[in-house]
Amino acid sequence: GQQVMQIPQYQHVQEGEDFTTYCNSSTTLSNIQWYKQRPGGHPVFLIQLVKSGEVKKQKRLTFQFGEAKKNSSLHITATQTTDVGTYFCAARPPFYGGATNKLIFGTGTLLAVQP
Amino acid sequence: NAGVTQTPKFRVLKTGQSMTLLCAQDMNHEYMYWYRQDPGMGLRLIHYSVGEGTTAKGEVPDGYNVSRLKKQNFLLGLESAAPSQTSVYFCASSAGTSGVGAKNIQYFGAGTRLSVL
Repeated sequence: GQQVMQIPQYQHVQEGEDFTTYCNSSTTLSNIQWYKQRPGGHPVFLIQLVKSGEVKKQKRLTFQFGEAKKNSSLHITATQTTDVGTYFCAARPPFYGGATNKLIFGTGTLLAVQP
Repeated sequence: NAGVTQTPKFRVLKTGQSMTLLCAQDMNHEYMYWYRQDPGMGLRLIHYSVGEGTTAKGEVPDGYNVSRLKKQNFLLGLESAAPSQTSVYFCASSAGTSGVGAKNIQYFGAGTRLSVL
Protein backbone atom coordinates (compact mmCIF):
# COMPACT_ATOMS: atom_id res chain seq x y z
CA GLY A 1 0.00 0.00 0.00
CA GLN A 2 0.83 3.64 0.01
CA GLN A 3 3.89 4.42 2.09
CA VAL A 4 5.49 7.55 3.35
CA MET A 5 9.16 7.20 4.16
CA GLN A 6 10.75 9.47 6.71
CA ILE A 7 14.46 9.91 7.37
CA PRO A 8 16.42 9.84 9.54
CA GLN A 9 14.83 7.59 12.15
CA TYR A 10 16.90 9.17 14.88
CA GLN A 11 19.01 12.30 15.22
CA HIS A 12 21.09 13.39 18.15
CA VAL A 13 22.29 17.02 18.16
CA GLN A 14 23.99 19.43 20.49
CA GLU A 15 21.81 22.28 21.62
CA GLY A 16 22.17 25.12 19.14
CA GLU A 17 22.77 22.88 16.12
CA ASP A 18 20.31 22.69 13.26
CA PHE A 19 18.11 19.68 12.49
CA THR A 20 16.26 18.50 9.40
CA THR A 21 13.88 15.61 8.81
CA TYR A 22 12.66 14.52 5.38
CA CYS A 23 9.46 12.89 4.24
CA ASN A 24 9.18 11.15 0.85
CA SER A 25 6.33 9.57 -1.08
CA SER A 26 6.39 7.61 -4.33
CA THR A 27 3.14 9.25 -5.40
CA THR A 28 1.86 12.80 -5.56
CA LEU A 29 0.23 14.01 -2.38
CA SER A 30 -2.85 16.15 -1.92
CA ASN A 31 -1.36 17.79 1.15
CA ILE A 32 0.98 17.03 4.01
CA GLN A 33 0.81 17.69 7.72
CA TRP A 34 3.47 17.67 10.41
CA TYR A 35 2.94 16.53 14.00
CA LYS A 36 5.17 16.55 17.07
CA GLN A 37 5.03 13.97 19.83
CA ARG A 38 6.86 14.70 23.06
CA PRO A 39 8.28 11.68 24.94
CA GLY A 40 5.38 9.90 26.64
CA GLY A 41 2.90 12.21 24.96
CA HIS A 42 0.55 12.22 22.03
CA PRO A 43 0.93 13.68 18.52
CA VAL A 44 0.13 17.36 18.27
CA PHE A 45 -0.52 19.12 14.97
CA LEU A 46 2.12 21.61 13.85
CA ILE A 47 1.27 22.67 10.31
CA GLN A 48 -0.33 21.75 7.01
CA LEU A 49 1.17 22.33 3.55
CA VAL A 50 -0.99 22.30 0.46
CA LYS A 51 0.63 24.08 -2.48
CA SER A 52 3.50 22.93 -4.63
CA GLY A 53 6.75 24.51 -3.40
CA GLU A 54 5.07 25.97 -0.32
CA VAL A 55 7.27 27.19 2.53
CA LYS A 56 5.94 28.04 5.97
CA LYS A 57 7.74 29.18 9.09
CA GLN A 58 6.91 28.92 12.76
CA LYS A 59 9.61 30.73 14.74
CA ARG A 60 12.67 28.45 14.39
CA LEU A 61 10.81 25.79 12.38
CA THR A 62 10.68 25.90 8.56
CA PHE A 63 8.44 23.56 6.62
CA GLN A 64 8.69 22.91 2.88
CA PHE A 65 6.53 21.05 0.38
CA GLY A 66 8.32 19.87 -2.74
CA GLU A 67 7.57 21.20 -6.19
CA ALA A 68 6.28 17.80 -7.29
CA LYS A 69 4.28 17.41 -4.05
CA LYS A 70 6.05 14.12 -3.35
CA ASN A 71 8.32 15.22 -0.53
CA SER A 72 8.49 17.56 2.41
CA SER A 73 10.98 18.67 5.02
CA LEU A 74 11.04 20.18 8.47
CA HIS A 75 14.08 22.22 9.47
CA ILE A 76 14.74 23.46 12.98
CA THR A 77 17.30 26.24 13.39
CA ALA A 78 19.36 26.37 16.59
CA THR A 79 17.70 23.50 18.40
CA GLN A 80 16.67 23.82 22.02
CA THR A 81 15.98 21.14 24.62
CA THR A 82 12.27 21.91 24.23
CA ASP A 83 12.48 20.58 20.66
CA VAL A 84 13.01 17.03 21.90
CA GLY A 85 10.45 14.57 20.59
CA THR A 86 9.38 12.62 17.55
CA TYR A 87 8.35 14.50 14.44
CA PHE A 88 5.89 12.83 12.10
CA CYS A 89 4.81 13.78 8.65
CA ALA A 90 1.30 12.72 7.67
CA ALA A 91 0.28 12.60 4.04
CA ARG A 92 -3.05 12.62 2.33
CA PRO A 93 -2.77 11.07 -1.12
CA PRO A 94 -5.29 12.20 -3.73
CA PHE A 95 -6.92 8.80 -3.97
CA TYR A 96 -7.84 9.04 -0.29
CA GLY A 97 -9.62 12.25 -1.02
CA GLY A 98 -13.21 12.90 -0.20
CA ALA A 99 -15.01 12.24 3.00
CA THR A 100 -12.64 9.80 4.64
CA ASN A 101 -9.97 12.34 5.54
CA LYS A 102 -7.49 9.53 6.22
CA LEU A 103 -3.82 10.28 6.73
CA ILE A 104 -0.79 8.07 6.22
CA PHE A 105 1.81 8.73 8.86
CA GLY A 106 5.53 8.49 8.29
CA THR A 107 7.61 6.40 10.69
CA GLY A 108 8.81 9.53 12.48
CA THR A 109 12.16 11.06 13.39
CA LEU A 110 13.18 11.03 17.02
CA LEU A 111 15.16 14.14 17.90
CA ALA A 112 17.40 14.14 20.95
CA VAL A 113 19.00 17.43 22.00
CA GLN A 114 21.98 17.42 24.32
CA PRO A 115 22.31 20.58 26.48
CA ASN B 1 -12.71 21.84 26.94
CA ALA B 2 -11.30 18.31 27.32
CA GLY B 3 -10.80 17.58 23.60
CA VAL B 4 -10.23 13.85 23.10
CA THR B 5 -10.31 11.63 26.18
CA GLN B 6 -9.21 8.00 26.24
CA THR B 7 -9.88 5.45 28.96
CA PRO B 8 -8.17 3.55 30.42
CA LYS B 9 -4.64 5.00 30.31
CA PHE B 10 -2.96 1.69 31.10
CA ARG B 11 -4.05 -1.92 30.97
CA VAL B 12 -2.45 -5.33 31.30
CA LEU B 13 -4.28 -8.31 29.81
CA LYS B 14 -3.67 -12.00 29.63
CA THR B 15 -3.74 -13.71 26.25
CA GLY B 16 -7.33 -14.48 25.29
CA GLN B 17 -8.95 -11.84 27.46
CA SER B 18 -11.18 -9.20 25.98
CA MET B 19 -11.43 -5.48 26.61
CA THR B 20 -12.86 -2.27 25.24
CA LEU B 21 -11.04 1.02 24.88
CA LEU B 22 -13.21 4.10 25.04
CA CYS B 23 -12.62 7.34 23.18
CA ALA B 24 -14.75 10.41 23.77
CA GLN B 25 -14.52 13.80 22.07
CA ASP B 26 -16.35 16.99 22.94
CA MET B 27 -15.57 18.97 19.77
CA ASN B 28 -18.58 17.73 17.79
CA HIS B 29 -16.23 16.18 15.23
CA GLU B 30 -17.62 13.94 12.53
CA TYR B 31 -14.53 11.81 12.00
CA MET B 32 -12.84 9.56 14.52
CA TYR B 33 -9.89 7.19 14.22
CA TRP B 34 -8.07 4.49 16.13
CA TYR B 35 -4.31 4.10 15.65
CA ARG B 36 -1.70 1.86 17.15
CA GLN B 37 1.87 2.98 17.65
CA ASP B 38 4.75 0.55 17.77
CA PRO B 39 8.48 1.38 17.92
CA GLY B 40 9.89 2.23 14.50
CA MET B 41 6.53 1.88 12.76
CA GLY B 42 4.87 5.20 13.29
CA LEU B 43 1.11 5.40 13.62
CA ARG B 44 -0.96 2.78 11.83
CA LEU B 45 -4.68 3.19 11.29
CA ILE B 46 -6.80 0.36 12.72
CA HIS B 47 -10.36 1.54 12.06
CA TYR B 48 -12.07 4.83 11.48
CA SER B 49 -15.51 6.37 11.36
CA VAL B 50 -16.89 9.16 9.18
CA GLY B 51 -19.97 9.72 11.29
CA GLU B 52 -22.33 8.29 13.87
CA GLY B 53 -23.27 4.71 13.05
CA THR B 54 -20.46 4.23 10.50
CA THR B 55 -17.17 2.36 10.72
CA ALA B 56 -14.54 1.32 8.21
CA LYS B 57 -11.34 -0.72 8.18
CA GLY B 58 -7.96 0.93 8.18
CA GLU B 59 -4.51 -0.46 7.53
CA VAL B 60 -4.35 -3.06 10.36
CA PRO B 61 -7.93 -4.02 11.34
CA ASP B 62 -7.48 -7.73 12.11
CA GLY B 63 -8.23 -8.69 15.71
CA TYR B 64 -10.12 -5.45 16.44
CA ASN B 65 -13.72 -4.31 16.24
CA VAL B 66 -15.18 -0.83 16.64
CA SER B 67 -18.51 0.83 17.20
CA ARG B 68 -19.74 4.40 16.95
CA LEU B 69 -23.23 4.42 18.43
CA LYS B 70 -22.96 8.05 19.49
CA LYS B 71 -21.22 10.83 17.61
CA GLN B 72 -18.96 11.68 20.53
CA ASN B 73 -17.80 8.14 21.31
CA PHE B 74 -15.69 5.63 19.40
CA LEU B 75 -15.05 2.25 21.00
CA LEU B 76 -12.25 -0.14 20.12
CA GLY B 77 -12.70 -3.78 21.12
CA LEU B 78 -10.27 -6.63 21.41
CA GLU B 79 -12.25 -9.87 21.55
CA SER B 80 -9.33 -12.21 22.26
CA ALA B 81 -6.14 -10.35 23.05
CA ALA B 82 -2.82 -11.57 21.68
CA PRO B 83 0.74 -10.54 22.63
CA SER B 84 1.09 -8.98 19.15
CA GLN B 85 -1.52 -6.44 20.25
CA THR B 86 0.80 -5.01 22.90
CA SER B 87 1.06 -1.41 21.81
CA VAL B 88 0.11 2.17 22.51
CA TYR B 89 -3.33 2.98 21.15
CA PHE B 90 -4.31 6.49 20.15
CA CYS B 91 -7.72 7.81 19.31
CA ALA B 92 -8.06 10.91 17.16
CA SER B 93 -10.83 13.03 15.77
CA SER B 94 -11.25 15.64 13.08
CA ALA B 95 -14.01 17.89 11.91
CA GLY B 96 -12.99 17.07 8.38
CA THR B 97 -14.82 17.01 5.20
CA SER B 98 -12.90 16.92 1.98
CA GLY B 99 -10.54 19.76 1.36
CA VAL B 100 -7.52 21.13 3.09
CA GLY B 101 -8.68 23.58 5.71
CA ALA B 102 -8.49 23.45 9.47
CA LYS B 103 -11.14 20.74 9.47
CA ASN B 104 -8.45 18.40 8.21
CA ILE B 105 -6.44 18.54 11.45
CA GLN B 106 -6.50 15.46 13.66
CA TYR B 107 -6.65 15.87 17.44
CA PHE B 108 -5.28 13.02 19.51
CA GLY B 109 -6.07 11.63 22.91
CA ALA B 110 -3.37 10.90 25.47
CA GLY B 111 -3.20 7.22 24.54
CA THR B 112 -3.76 3.84 26.14
CA ARG B 113 -0.74 1.68 26.91
CA LEU B 114 -1.76 -1.94 26.58
CA SER B 115 0.34 -4.97 27.45
CA VAL B 116 -0.82 -8.47 26.60
CA LEU B 117 1.01 -11.22 28.45
